[in-house]
Amino acid sequence: DAGVIQSPRHEVTEMGQEVTLRCKPISGHDYLFWYRQTMMRGLELLIYFNNNVPIDDSGMPEDRFSAKMPNASFSTLKIQPSEPRDSAVYFCASSPGGTRHHPSSYNEQFFGPGTRLTVL
Amino acid sequence: AQKVTQAQTEISVVEKEDVTLDCVYETRDTTYYLFWYKQPPSGELVFLIRRNSFDEQNEISGRYSWNFQKSTSSFNFTITASQVVDSAVYFCALSDSGGGADGLTFGKGTHLIIQP
Repeated sequence: DAGVIQSPRHEVTEMGQEVTLRCKPISGHDYLFWYRQTMMRGLELLIYFNNNVPIDDSGMPEDRFSAKMPNASFSTLKIQPSEPRDSAVYFCASSPGGTRHHPSSYNEQFFGPGTRLTVL
Repeated sequence: AQKVTQAQTEISVVEKEDVTLDCVYETRDTTYYLFWYKQPPSGELVFLIRRNSFDEQNEISGRYSWNFQKSTSSFNFTITASQVVDSAVYFCALSDSGGGADGLTFGKGTHLIIQP
């Protein structure tokens, strides 16, 4: 399996522009998570989905941020308009969820390589 | 609310020394899970271990060992005979599920530098 795929790996944009980050989870995984990593705040959960449905978006910083999961193999995190303080590494992670032998409480999250976003 | 504290921002040791990374957590849940992740200079997050709140047995994996103590709400990580390749940022994390069905709450990380 290719693992969690994120694109682009690096993004440089100017303040006010729209930014779209993309994530392809591991096939068969039911959960998808978006995290943000900054020097000041560390790693923070932004939002997560179960079976394409957003479950908890309480970590989304403000209305400029939105996330969608139109199908089981694709998710986007959009920032519109972007600001310099949005500069961070954004990680996507996925998890298998539960099975009869391994209920969801025992499954780890597999992280993608991250997207480094720089907003000038 | 859940909270993870890694008080050591940066640790520097000479190769072959043993080093312990501290992790203290807070949660109101009686069932929870603790994790350690490694982030090497390349930036990816590498899963190291998961423990549940009902299992306080210490675990050893090669040069790595973990000491879980509920009485002090700590989940410390020790690297024995450290190597330069161990240089990375190490994160402790907490979840009230196994981590697969809920988000992780991360500590701020400890930057470990192993000098040759």
